[in-house]
Amino acid sequence: SQQGEEDPQALSIQEGENATMNCSYKTSINNLQWYRQNSGRGLVHLILIRSNEREKHSGRLRVTLDTSKKSSSLLITASRAADTASYFCATVSLNDYKLSFGAGTTVTVRA
Amino acid sequence: ETGVTQTPRHLVMGMTNKKSLKCEQHLGHNAMYWYKQSAKKPLELMFVYNFKEQTENNSVPSRFSPECPNSSHLFLHLHTLQPEDSALYLCASSQRPDYSFMNSPLHFGNGTRLTVT
Repeated sequence: SQQGEEDPQALSIQEGENATMNCSYKTSINNLQWYRQNSGRGLVHLILIRSNEREKHSGRLRVTLDTSKKSSSLLITASRAADTASYFCATVSLNDYKLSFGAGTTVTVRA
Repeated sequence: ETGVTQTPRHLVMGMTNKKSLKCEQHLGHNAMYWYKQSAKKPLELMFVYNFKEQTENNSVPSRFSPECPNSSHLFLHLHTLQPEDSALYLCASSQRPDYSFMNSPLHFGNGTRLTVT
């Protein structure tokens, strides 16, 4: 069943700008993961943040997790055309440790 | 290269056809998965195999039949499909199955775009 819900559904930004997308979920989690999917390709794992972590960085990516609000955000700094993709959050439930994906945010970076 | 290879990349089949999707992973992982991705919908987990044993069938219709002969190969056999089965079918693998406490990320193939006419 769907756990995470991304917001917004779509985002269009200029190259060089930052892109922020959010993920909200309903039940307690073990960890939360972000994935990227380029058009016509499979998903690529970007970053995993555990429930006892509040922030994590990987290159131009910054992920935050607020378990009290049951939400996470993914920030892409200094965006590039190659960042154009769909971004999915996926949560691992503490109840059954199953991984559930959201419907994704489509990001378009304009040159 | 993702380490997970899916063939074919595109498949068009009639409702009376029988076809198979193939997935191979070169990562030494123990768990393999089939997902269905339809437009504007979350990924739907179909099947999970752990050490080539099926550990999950997510109420998938019997017209989809998985096969896992070893930890590196996974098939999805298709027969008498419906037009609503048209979707992107993604194979994934992970070091450990997704119900493991210390969850390991999934590695996806590029999918098979299936069109049922």
